[in-house]
Amino acid sequence: QVQLVESGGGVVRPGGSLRLSCVASGFAFTTSGMHWVRQAPGKGLEWVAFIRHDGSSKFYADSVNGRFSISRDNSKNTVYLQMNSLKIEDTSLYYCTKFGAGWGKGTMVTVTS
Amino acid sequence: EVVMTQSPLSLPVTLGQPASISCRSSQSLVVSDGTTFLSWFHQRPGQSPRRLIYKISNRDFGVPDRFSGSGSGSIFTLKISRVEAEDVGIYYCMQGSHWPFTFGPGTRVDIK
Repeated sequence: QVQLVESGGGVVRPGGSLRLSCVASGFAFTTSGMHWVRQAPGKGLEWVAFIRHDGSSKFYADSVNGRFSISRDNSKNTVYLQMNSLKIEDTSLYYCTKFGAGWGKGTMVTVTS
Repeated sequence: EVVMTQSPLSLPVTLGQPASISCRSSQSLVVSDGTTFLSWFHQRPGQSPRRLIYKISNRDFGVPDRFSGSGSGSIFTLKISRVEAEDVGIYYCMQGSHWPFTFGPGTRVDIK
């Protein structure tokens, strides 16, 4: 079955950086575009970023464009989210997803001074 | 970016009765080949979201047929023919026709 396991979350100061990872299994990862979606505590879903199956195209939410970078390593079935210049409002549970195929349980990022 | 709105934001329902959620986009979601990338997601309390419907009306694998999606252009609807207890939670519409993708604010469904 489809498994998506996120990691790399934690507590960081404003202006800091984190790199999230998502290891995928149970589906054809190398031919699948992948998304990151986040959810602030008690709030709704916010789409964050997308990367095509071969990494040739990447798209970002306006709120993270220029600060976050999505990448992937198809040899490791892993997608990454490099988050720089973190802001308090980036505090969220970050999900890796292929939408219809499945979602991970998420990894929590807390930005606090 | 495309702004998604939903109504109602809160929907108390009676078990066995129908329910309907509306979703509107600030611009048409029809892309150049005629496809409309409008999806519906359900998130139960404490769980990750799950996609129910894609391209307006296509149910994902394993989604009960009491869920149906309809609409066109910029106005869409999710209907539950007979609400069951497991249907409680928050429902989100999402557009995937224009970058960046955007979600609606969510509709909270609970049992009266």
